[in-house]
Amino acid sequence: EIVLTQSPGTLSLSPGEGVTLSCRASQSISSAYLAWYQQRAGQAPRLLIYGASTRATGIPDRFSGSVSGTDFTLTINRLEPEDFAVYYCQQYGTSPRRSFGQGTKLEIK
Amino acid sequence: QVQLQQWGAGLLKPSETLSLTCAVHGGSLSGYYWTWIRQPPGKGLEWIGEVSHSGYTHYNASLKSRVSISVDTSRNQFSLKVTSVTAADTAVYYCARAEWELSHWGQGTQVTVSS
Repeated sequence: EIVLTQSPGTLSLSPGEGVTLSCRASQSISSAYLAWYQQRAGQAPRLLIYGASTRATGIPDRFSGSVSGTDFTLTINRLEPEDFAVYYCQQYGTSPRRSFGQGTKLEIK
Repeated sequence: QVQLQQWGAGLLKPSETLSLTCAVHGGSLSGYYWTWIRQPPGKGLEWIGEVSHSGYTHYNASLKSRVSISVDTSRNQFSLKVTSVTAADTAVYYCARAEWELSHWGQGTQVTVSS
């Protein structure tokens, strides 16, 4: 079973700063099968990045994704107030077919 | 532009059956899997299962014995049933369109199980 571990659990930052969020897979997965989502308080999740590094439609270019081995990274440059939210990574595979990391919360310092 | 609209009963008693439906507007069911995800209060996202337009299903092993997902192509809808609910099934339930990623989401439905 593939497990996704996100770190850190919570980050306190100020608008204008940059941040890197981590998602580590317990075993190798294709970069095509890794996505990132943003969930603002009280809202449904929104797709940010798919295929590890491709921005979804309408996502600003301050969001970027990368991969190195089993380590996937979401980078946000120049945080805007609306970026303070919870971020999840998600994998597509065979066992289980889909699963999520536990999430990283970005909060305003 | 694809939009997903979901609905269903929001308050259930233990042992009852949860039933939710998701309508797909602005697009066809063909070519995608149609997924249900839930989020318990204050917790993360849990994949429940999914169905293809032709009715093939995949379920989370931890819920498989109680979950059924079906598709109605004539109405462009898909549905979730969870039997024998308990307080542990209290969550916001989301429907979504799936390829490898989940590109479009419904608005979410709060389901509370309480006696």
